[in-house]
Amino acid sequence: EAGVAQSPRYKIIEKRQSVAFWCNPISGHATLYWYQQILGQGPKLLIQFQNNGVVDDSQLPKDRFSAERLKGVDSTLKIQPAKLEDSAVYLCASSLAGSKRYEQYFGTGTRLTVT
Amino acid sequence: KQEVTQIPAALSVPEGENLVLNCSFTDSAIYNLQWFRQDPGKGLTSLLLIQSSQREQTSGRLNASLDKSSGRSTLYIAASQPGDSATYLCAVMLLLILTGGGNKLTFGTGTQLKVEL
Repeated sequence: EAGVAQSPRYKIIEKRQSVAFWCNPISGHATLYWYQQILGQGPKLLIQFQNNGVVDDSQLPKDRFSAERLKGVDSTLKIQPAKLEDSAVYLCASSLAGSKRYEQYFGTGTRLTVT
Repeated sequence: KQEVTQIPAALSVPEGENLVLNCSFTDSAIYNLQWFRQDPGKGLTSLLLIQSSQREQTSGRLNASLDKSSGRSTLYIAASQPGDSATYLCAVMLLLILTGGGNKLTFGTGTQLKVEL
């Protein structure tokens, strides 16, 4: 079974530029998550989708971050404009559904460096 | 608000040593607790998942315990090997989540383990 796919693996941009990350969840997984992991910290949930609807985006900085999941499969996370403090690893995860009994499976992440 | 703390932040041990990683959480109303491993440039790999009704889980050389009443979990690694070098994260899933997302995870800050030859 293929895992959660993310691209690109690495991205370096200057502050105020825009960047987008892509995630393809495990086939059949209805729930998709985007996490931000700053160096030395644990992952923090940014947004959770159930199919193509947003379940939780309470910690998403909506003035600069946006995410979509068209057709309930792939998802993109965008930052516009980027700030230095956005430097982090962005992890995507998926699970069969949003119920507690379903585990989350993580991708390898995209490491973003903002200079 | 649930807060998860891991001690120590970093640990270096010689090969073959038994070691314990600690995780504490402030809200004891959890559904489960999970230990993950994170290697540089790779995603998170789930090691052990303990339901709130369980006391411990074992997988090979790993044993995780859970004391919900005191808000603590430990990950015991027996006979450590250089291949165990990685960052270990614990994460809790709350029983009740007000903002939706029934299976939201709250992660600790991690323990960076180095096992030396």
